[in-house]
Amino acid sequence: DQQVKQNSPSLSVQEGRISILNCDYTNSMFDYFLWYKKYPAEGPTFLISISSIKDKNEDGRFTVFLNKSAKHLSLHIVPSQPGDSAVYFCAASSTSGGSYIPTFGRGTSLIVHP
Amino acid sequence: NAGVTQTPKFRVLKTGQSMTLLCAQDMNHEYMYWYRQDPGMGLRLIHYSVGEGTTAKGEVPDGYNVSRLKKQNFLLGLESAAPSQTSVYFCASSQDSWAEQYFGPGTRLTVT
Repeated sequence: DQQVKQNSPSLSVQEGRISILNCDYTNSMFDYFLWYKKYPAEGPTFLISISSIKDKNEDGRFTVFLNKSAKHLSLHIVPSQPGDSAVYFCAASSTSGGSYIPTFGRGTSLIVHP
Repeated sequence: NAGVTQTPKFRVLKTGQSMTLLCAQDMNHEYMYWYRQDPGMGLRLIHYSVGEGTTAKGEVPDGYNVSRLKKQNFLLGLESAAPSQTSVYFCASSQDSWAEQYFGPGTRLTVT
């Protein structure tokens, strides 16, 4: 059973608009969350992360929001640019000790139209 | 600083053949991982290592073996390749289990 779910396989957005990518998790032990971006024929690259002690983290055009009670996080990209077209993976892990390997969602393919 | 490198980039195997994929990292990371990516399935963890000399099974370990004899290298072996192992394979490393992972460029493997 998937512990990290990205329920939208794809998302299409107009350039300049906001892109919102969603991620849900089920394991209450998860307390650290990461987003990765992947272009075709390349490996994923780390984009932004958030700890459960925060509910928001910003880095330029990228903001991640965390709703712990709903076990939900979202990545906002504002404004969206054609170069943001990629697959975005959400990952969740635990910092509370032990060998807790991050669990990845299946990804959301974002297409930003000029 | 090369980061994470993978060898080879492409490979075509016949069913039953064997091969080894090599991953190397120069960041002195403790943790290393092997994933496979298939359409609609995201990144699935095959095996991982929490340090030199250690290995552990991930989500989809069957048909694969791994070794971590040196801290900087993590090898993935296919003893008898099957068409179901046609995939793109990614290696990654991280300093801590929860920390961001650095990925290699991938190996595209086709088994006919």
